[in-house]
Order: sequence, then C-alpha cells, then structure tokens
Amino acid sequence: NAGVTQTPKFQVLKTGQSMTLQCAQDMNHNSMYWYRQDPGMGLRLIYYSASEGTTDKGEVPNGYNVSRLNKREFSLRLESAAPSQTSVYFCASSEGRGGTYEQYFGPGTRLTVT
Amino acid sequence: QQQVKQSPQSLIVQKGGISIINCAYENTAFDYFPWYQQFPGKGPALLIAIRPDVSEKKEGRFTISFNKSAKQFSLHIMDSQPGDSATYFCAASGRGGGSNYKLTFGKGTLLTVNP
Repeated sequence: NAGVTQTPKFQVLKTGQSMTLQCAQDMNHNSMYWYRQDPGMGLRLIYYSASEGTTDKGEVPNGYNVSRLNKREFSLRLESAAPSQTSVYFCASSEGRGGTYEQYFGPGTRLTVT
Repeated sequence: QQQVKQSPQSLIVQKGGISIINCAYENTAFDYFPWYQQFPGKGPALLIAIRPDVSEKKEGRFTISFNKSAKQFSLHIMDSQPGDSATYFCAASGRGGGSNYKLTFGKGTLLTVNP
C-alpha cells in the first residue's frame, strides 16, 4: 500500500501561471482533503471532498479549484498563481467524513511562486 | 477566529525530560481531540487522540490530559528522546453541521530534544 501519494514533490511557478497538484490514495477512503501549511500558521483546510462526487470549501479556498476525479483521486488547481500561494500543500484522506476519522497525509508538495 | 490555540510555538528539552504542549479551544461542540506528529519533510501522522468522556489517555510515553471545564488539553511526552524531535499539532473536531465536524488544527509546536 502506497497510502497517499502526491505529485509533484517540488514546483516553481511564475506569477500568473497555472498548475494542478495531483493526489491519489489506495486505501478506499471516502473523504479527501487539501491543506496548506505555512510557517506559524499550522495546517489550513483549502477544500475537501466528503465523498466521491462532492466537494466543498474549507477555510482558505480563494484562488483554488478542486476536482474529485474518482474515489481515488483528488486534484487541486491553481488557475493564476500568486506569491501568496507559496506554501507546502498536503493532501489527506480518511475513511469517513469528519475529523473523528484518522486522516492520512501525503508527503506534500512544496510550491514556490515567484 | 482561531478556534484552537496552541503553545508554546517551540520547545527545547533535554533527553530524558518531560515535554509539555498545551492547547485551548473555544467551541463547546468539539468532542474529539487528536494530536498529530510531523517529522521534517513528511506529512503529519496521527499520534494519539482523546474524547472528553475521559480526563487522560496514555499510549507508551505519550499522554493526553483533558480538562473539559477549562476547555484545555495537553500532550505530555515522558522520557523525551531525540527521535521525538518533530512538530506537534493539536486539533479538534465535533459533531453537528457547519464547520464543527471538520478537523481544526492548532498552529503547531516545534519540539527539539537535545541528546
């Protein structure tokens, strides 16, 4: 079992460029999440998908879009990258909806926007 | 509005000492309190969790103490080891609709255990 995988591991973008962060899980989990981690700010939820076919906004959704492609895959898209989106992005999954289910995190994508 | 406040931001402990990290919450709908551990370059992973029906939960060297009336909970790491050096996040979630059921994280504590 690979668990939660994320691609790419590192990315440098210029302001205004677009990109998609990919996430996949092989644990047959129903719920998936995208977080960003910034120094001193902890983990902030960007978007989540409680189940296949549904997505919803988290705490900091502006500037991002998501797609739950199927039960395994959940992608995060930056349409027009800004320096404020420089961060480490983590994808996570859980068996059920809600925080009481253990969340399994991927290794992260370190994104720099210049 | 920060719903889970974590302190300290950083902590340095000698090997064999006790590490204590504190968290406070505001939302009385929260009823599940996990701690996540994150090593450099890795994603966070669940370490230990507690529900408010007990005041303490222990797993090996790691203990959560919970004070429902004060709306505070803390992580104690006994006999701290250099391998415990990591960032620790407290979190909270609850029942019901709205944002309560989602996991809300504290800002993290960077623990360094010196040999």
